[in-house]
Amino acid sequence: EVQLLESGGGLVQPGGSLRLSCSASGFTFNTFAMSWVRQAPGKGLEWVSIISGGGDATYYTDSVKGRLTISRDNFKNTLYLQMNTLRAEDTAIYYCAKSRGGAVRDGLHIWGQGTMVTVSS
Amino acid sequence: DIQMTQSPSSLSASVGARVTITCRASQHISNYLAWYQQKPGKAPKLLIYAASILQSGVPSRFTVSGSGTDFTLTISSLQPEDVATYYCQNYNSAPLTFGGGTKVEIK
Repeated sequence: EVQLLESGGGLVQPGGSLRLSCSASGFTFNTFAMSWVRQAPGKGLEWVSIISGGGDATYYTDSVKGRLTISRDNFKNTLYLQMNTLRAEDTAIYYCAKSRGGAVRDGLHIWGQGTMVTVSS
Repeated sequence: DIQMTQSPSSLSASVGARVTITCRASQHISNYLAWYQQKPGKAPKLLIYAASILQSGVPSRFTVSGSGTDFTLTISSLQPEDVATYYCQNYNSAPLTFGGGTKVEIK
């Protein structure tokens, strides 16, 4: 069974850092692109970032460029999101999601249950 | 960046009613469009990809049409289990933007 399990969320002060992890199982991890998508409380979905299966291509939404960094360890079957210089507007549930295929241009087939990040003093 | 505009933002319809949601892209995205269903308190679920292909297990009452900039998702006979928020997503080019969502309720 394909599964994604996020961890690492929590309460952090503005300007602080956090690293989210997404542990994957049930599929050949290095052949699929992976994304982070977030959802602020009571709001819609916002795509954050995507990384290709091999890790050589990454893309970000403008509001996180230079602050959030996506990466993956294909030996550990784990996706990461390093979050620096956090702002109140980064408060959200963060979902990791597996693309249908290896390319970044594909639908998001499998989603984790999400991990909550709260940025507040 | 490509903007995705959904309408309506919410709707209420009777069980068995036909429901249509529209999604408009600010630029041509060919068929690089997905639809997702998110039930309250749950993670989103992929319903449709490549603008018109139903993901395995999605009921046939969900139909889609469109290409280029204008897309529609239709539920031919609304069921109680369809209560959810529906999102479209461009995946033609980054950022892979979502529409604002359409909340579907039972009247």
